[in-house]
Amino acid sequence: AQTVTQSQPEMSVQEAETVTLSCTYDTSESDYYLFWYKQPPSRQMILVIRQEAYKQQNATENRFSVNFQKAAKSFSLKISDSQLGDAAMYFCAYSLKGSGTYKYIFGTGTRLKVLA
Amino acid sequence: EAQVTQNPRYLITVTGKKLTVTCSQNMNHEYMSWYRQDPGLGLRQIYYSMNVEVTDKGDVPEGYKVSRKEKRNFPLILESPSPNQTSLYFCASSLKPYYEQYFGPGTRLTVT
Repeated sequence: AQTVTQSQPEMSVQEAETVTLSCTYDTSESDYYLFWYKQPPSRQMILVIRQEAYKQQNATENRFSVNFQKAAKSFSLKISDSQLGDAAMYFCAYSLKGSGTYKYIFGTGTRLKVLA
Repeated sequence: EAQVTQNPRYLITVTGKKLTVTCSQNMNHEYMSWYRQDPGLGLRQIYYSMNVEVTDKGDVPEGYKVSRKEKRNFPLILESPSPNQTSLYFCASSLKPYYEQYFGPGTRLTVT
């Protein structure tokens, strides 16, 4: 069975600094997607970034980038130039690619605090 | 505006009283899913649907039912709620199974 592990329940970063959130996963599949979702205090879940397992190039979205290490089954999120609005719960998630299923596995989340 | 709506947003009920949480999306998505969020456990998938009349169990389906009679709607039914179903519930939809999921605003359910 697939699992997603976020070992950091909480992290803090100074405004304008860089922080990296960790995520590891376990799967025997070769074709899948990985995601980072953000949940601010409003509770609304928002997609931050998405990575296809077959793509070696790490995904980036403005200040957000990932370090995807397929062999190590690691998928960390780097936030550069942290802003107060980045304070939120961040969830790592896994989804198998294919039309025969819609199963998603989420990690337990990392709460990010941004210090002014 | 593209969105997923859930109702009610907040609900307090008693053990055993049947309830339904509605979910509707206006993006013509085939794929829809229900999750519950609990502190320290993240989001766990309850049920999902890949099209009208096609549903399947997620990781925590016990005590829940779903139906998908129309493409836009995917209600979650608790026929006999128990206190361990007190949680924050999210509905989500996507165009394809591995595309971005669009989430509803969440339903805070308390069962006493």
